[in-house]
Amino acid sequence: EPEVTQTPSHQVTQMGQEVILRCVPISNHLYFYWYRQILGQKVEFLVSFYNNEISEKSEIFDDQFSVERPDGSNFTLKIRSTKLEDSAMYFCASSEARDRPYEQYFGPGTRLTVT
Amino acid sequence: AQSVTQLGSHVSVSEGALVLLRCNYSSSVPPYLFWYVQYPNQGLQLLLKYTSAATLVKGINGFEAEFKKSETSFHLTKPSAHMSDAAEYFCAVSSPYNQGGKLIFGQGTELSVKP
Repeated sequence: EPEVTQTPSHQVTQMGQEVILRCVPISNHLYFYWYRQILGQKVEFLVSFYNNEISEKSEIFDDQFSVERPDGSNFTLKIRSTKLEDSAMYFCASSEARDRPYEQYFGPGTRLTVT
Repeated sequence: AQSVTQLGSHVSVSEGALVLLRCNYSSSVPPYLFWYVQYPNQGLQLLLKYTSAATLVKGINGFEAEFKKSETSFHLTKPSAHMSDAAEYFCAVSSPYNQGGKLIFGQGTELSVKP
């Protein structure tokens, strides 16, 4: 069965460094999402992406964040200058976007640790 | 605005006992409601969803949930717990009017199953 994959599974970085989290959505899916979960807190929506542009973003998704679909298979989340509070589990999801509600398929997550 | 509250961050049941995980939502529009499960080191997997077609929704692995508008609830139940049900469970809401169908999650409930 097709699945969403994410790399790396764990990323450790120093404050102020740039990180890129990578996701490979399911191949025929059209909508892509990033969510994050800070330890002990709720899973929070960051951004949705459709037709090569951001469809919606949350207030968390400030200028330090960007998303890109550099080729036909990858979907990336870049954090330009990481802060301690960016430490979280980041989940990528994708949806076929055919019938509402759009069923979202999640990847296993990337645990980002900012030191 | 939409929100979800899950009562109980940790629920423990004996194998064979009833599982009841509570979820209350707040929404200014008729909501879509979801339950997701997360097993260790895996992504969130959709258990079931409510889309207004029927108030009692059956999902995978013997789980079901009932939408009660008067109580703004969408509790998850399973008649008989199995050891393999041990996982974290997330309730989520989305709006039919949101273009990308972003999900708003509750804080999650960790289910333990004792032999």
